Amino acid sequence: RKEVEQDPGPFNVPEGATVAFNCTYSNSASQSFFWYRQDCRKEPKLLMSVYSSGNEDGRFTAQLNRASQYISLLIRDSKLSDSATYLCVVNYYGGSQGNLIFGKGTKLSVKP
Amino acid sequence: DADVTQTPRNRITKTGKRIMLECSQTKGHDRMYWYRQDPGLGLRLIYYSFDVKDINKGEISDGYSVSRQAQAKFSLSLESAIPNQTALYFCATSDLSRTGEYEQYFGPGTRLTVT
Repeated sequence: RKEVEQDPGPFNVPEGATVAFNCTYSNSASQSFFWYRQDCRKEPKLLMSVYSSGNEDGRFTAQLNRASQYISLLIRDSKLSDSATYLCVVNYYGGSQGNLIFGKGTKLSVKP
Repeated sequence: DADVTQTPRNRITKTGKRIMLECSQTKGHDRMYWYRQDPGLGLRLIYYSFDVKDINKGEISDGYSVSRQAQAKFSLSLESAIPNQTALYFCATSDLSRTGEYEQYFGPGTRLTVT
């Protein structure tokens, strides 16, 4: 069964806090992994891809654990502008390559 | 200018009406997708197209049809709209990135209300 699961939150954190989101996926054949960000009533936007070796982009760090089938996103020094819903996304190769399976999202609210 | 555009951005229609949502892209991508998003359900794939002659059903295609008029255009039709098709609809495109992954890029969405 194709599934991507996330804690829906909301995560309410103060500015400057470090916050981590986890996501699990059920299909071991999944090959590509992403985090997307979606602001309220806006389109999802690619935040970063997730690589096996882990990757970092400024305050954002993504990790992949294939053995346990989970993906994480760490946000350091949270800003008010980080408030959004974060979508965990997996490329499911069992169907058609290039089709993405989206988690339902984790809502983050950063407070002053 | 936006790379992926959708028209209309908002639409209110009545039950039983036929409605078409249009999507255009200037990214030159071969692959295009239609999703709907409902609160608490996340994004669900309706139809996708890998090139002009290729159309495939997604997870929830019943009640919808699509047309790929050109590489840059992919339209979604609701033949006879019903209230539970009220949702936010997104078009997306994708192509193989330099890192060998299919990253998707979304249009701004169409908010459809069926009364």
